[in-house]
Amino acid sequence: DQQVKQNSPSLSVQEGRISILNCDYTNSMFDYFLWYKKYPAEGPTFLISISSIKDKNEDGRFTVFLNKSAKHLSLHIVPSQPGDSAVYFCAASARAGGTSYGKLTFGQGTILTVHP
Amino acid sequence: ETGVTQTPRHLVMGMTNKKSLKCEQHLGHNAMYWYKQSAKKPLELMFVYNFKEQTENNSVPSRFSPECPNSSHLFLHLHTLQPEDSALYLCASSQGSTQGEAFFGQGTRLTVV
Repeated sequence: DQQVKQNSPSLSVQEGRISILNCDYTNSMFDYFLWYKKYPAEGPTFLISISSIKDKNEDGRFTVFLNKSAKHLSLHIVPSQPGDSAVYFCAASARAGGTSYGKLTFGQGTILTVHP
Repeated sequence: ETGVTQTPRHLVMGMTNKKSLKCEQHLGHNAMYWYKQSAKKPLELMFVYNFKEQTENNSVPSRFSPECPNSSHLFLHLHTLQPEDSALYLCASSQGSTQGEAFFGQGTRLTVV
């Protein structure tokens, strides 16, 4: 049973427009959520995170929104750039329970392509 | 070097071989992890080490044997693997088991023939 789901395998966006990547989770114990970006032949790179006590976190062009009641989070990239083309992974952890912070449950990933 | 470094980047091994994957982190972190990514599947946690002690084994078969001699180095010893063990193996580290985000290495692409 997959506890973190990214239902869109791919997303194609024009340069300068907004990219919205979605993620759903089922485990109510998750209280910390992260987005990672992965280029081919490289490991995932940490992008942005959000704690369950917040509903929004912003870092430059990247904003993550959390809707706890819907168990849904999204990553907004504005404006999108060709260099943003990569696989984006949503991940979740249950930190309040004292679990290891590196114990992450990942979604399957969404391939983002930003066209010039 | 900085960050998390994994060697080798690619490995092809037979089912009767014994090989080891190596991970080294230069971030001063105290927790290290092994993850596995099989084709068309999400990354799955395999092992967690905190201050060199294994704190989690996520029901991994014994043909995978981790070793953490110190907080900077992590190994994954492989023996009598199966073709279905072919995957991308990723090492990660974090400041502590309850501190900081996890940073990943580039991974080792393993093919078992």
